[in-house]
Amino acid sequence: DIQLTQSPSFLSASVGDRVTITCRASQGIRSYLAWHQQKPGKAPKVLIYAASTLQGGVPSRFSGSGSGTEFTLTISSLQPEDFATYYCLQLKTYPLTFGGGTKVEIK
Amino acid sequence: EVQLVESGGGLVQPGGSLRLSCAASGFTLSSFEMNWVRQAPGKGLEWISYISVSGITIHYADSVKGRFTISRDNAKNSVYLQMNSLRVEDTAVYYCARDLGLDGDYWGQGTLVTVSS
Repeated sequence: DIQLTQSPSFLSASVGDRVTITCRASQGIRSYLAWHQQKPGKAPKVLIYAASTLQGGVPSRFSGSGSGTEFTLTISSLQPEDFATYYCLQLKTYPLTFGGGTKVEIK
Repeated sequence: EVQLVESGGGLVQPGGSLRLSCAASGFTLSSFEMNWVRQAPGKGLEWISYISVSGITIHYADSVKGRFTISRDNAKNSVYLQMNSLRVEDTAVYYCARDLGLDGDYWGQGTLVTVSS
């Protein structure tokens, strides 16, 4: 199975900060990676798919990059509504696997 | 409006069974691949099953293989998850999701399954 390691697992940041979350795959997955955002008590929603494609309706302050084994999700200027938990997901091979999550909290 | 609505969750004893349903509205389910994903209380996301548009290709996580069965009825715009031999560690919110990780990615609000004696 492909393991995804997200770092950090917890991040404390202020409104306006630039935030970067990393996801490392245990083997190459080309660009078969998505990023989801989940707020408490809500279902996850996709932000980025195919590693770097912004989902329709998602603010442009979110961006994704990487391929192979290392990927990043960047929020260029953190907004109050961005405080949530973020997960990466690999779609290269079954079983699909999620990273452990990164919780972004207000400093 | 696009909607996925899960139902069928509840409290069940270890070793028991439940059948979850996921009803789609606002779009044609038969055009989308479907998945079930679960989240144990306070934990991360775990993918558990996939079914292709035709229903011919199916995948399961090792944690549920042999106990859970995914199926779909495109005529009823619904996907199902039959869960047998339930264990305490199956306690979670269960989400159905279409086109997981793709541009059509969309999730239902989830249904809670609690396995406890």
